[in-house]
Amino acid sequence: DADVTQTPRNRITKTGKRIMLECSQTKGHDRMYWYRQDPGLGLRLIYYSFDVKDINKGEISDGYSVSRQAQAKFSLSLESAIPNQTALYFCAIRGPGTEAFFGQGTRLTVV
Amino acid sequence: EDQVTQSPEALRLQEGESSSLNCSYTVSGLRGLFWYRQDPGKGPEFLFTLYSAGEEKEKERLKATLTKKESFLHITAPKPEDSATYLCAVFASGGSYIPTFGRGTSLIVHP
Repeated sequence: DADVTQTPRNRITKTGKRIMLECSQTKGHDRMYWYRQDPGLGLRLIYYSFDVKDINKGEISDGYSVSRQAQAKFSLSLESAIPNQTALYFCAIRGPGTEAFFGQGTRLTVV
Repeated sequence: EDQVTQSPEALRLQEGESSSLNCSYTVSGLRGLFWYRQDPGKGPEFLFTLYSAGEEKEKERLKATLTKKESFLHITAPKPEDSATYLCAVFASGGSYIPTFGRGTSLIVHP
């Protein structure tokens, strides 16, 4: 099993719809992150969480919300999707003093 | 604010033609510098962590080095399967221990 699992892997949704991207991990790490990747812009941080009761905004949090349901689960929601949220989304986890491990990504298209 | 700049943005090599990728950084309190490889449509895959100036790490045809201002990823005698985007990230106390990524270098190795 993968250390970090993202679902769905691909999703096409309509403008204005609510959508949730899910991330689960099996390594028991406390730190979880959501990144967005666009061509030429690299990975940009949306939200991060250092434990179940800790939620922090990243550099591009507008239009997104998150929920840390358990240590192993961290969900990203788009309350009302818009076309410029079309991107590749990655969940990452990290333990103390370790590198970040990434999921395989969710390709989201908003039409 | 932590800043990470990678160069060049894109690099084309012939098989066997060695070269280097650069990652320059401006951070407060560097705790680690990471190199990742990313294949199209997939999540970044961890390659190396470097912690202090002068440190070097090797893996197959790749060698990463670190100075106080930059890191290099040297690729010796590359093969077509080394084609990918290489990402650099820094992890610093001044950045609230959140990995900050550069935009990556897209490497294509022609047979």
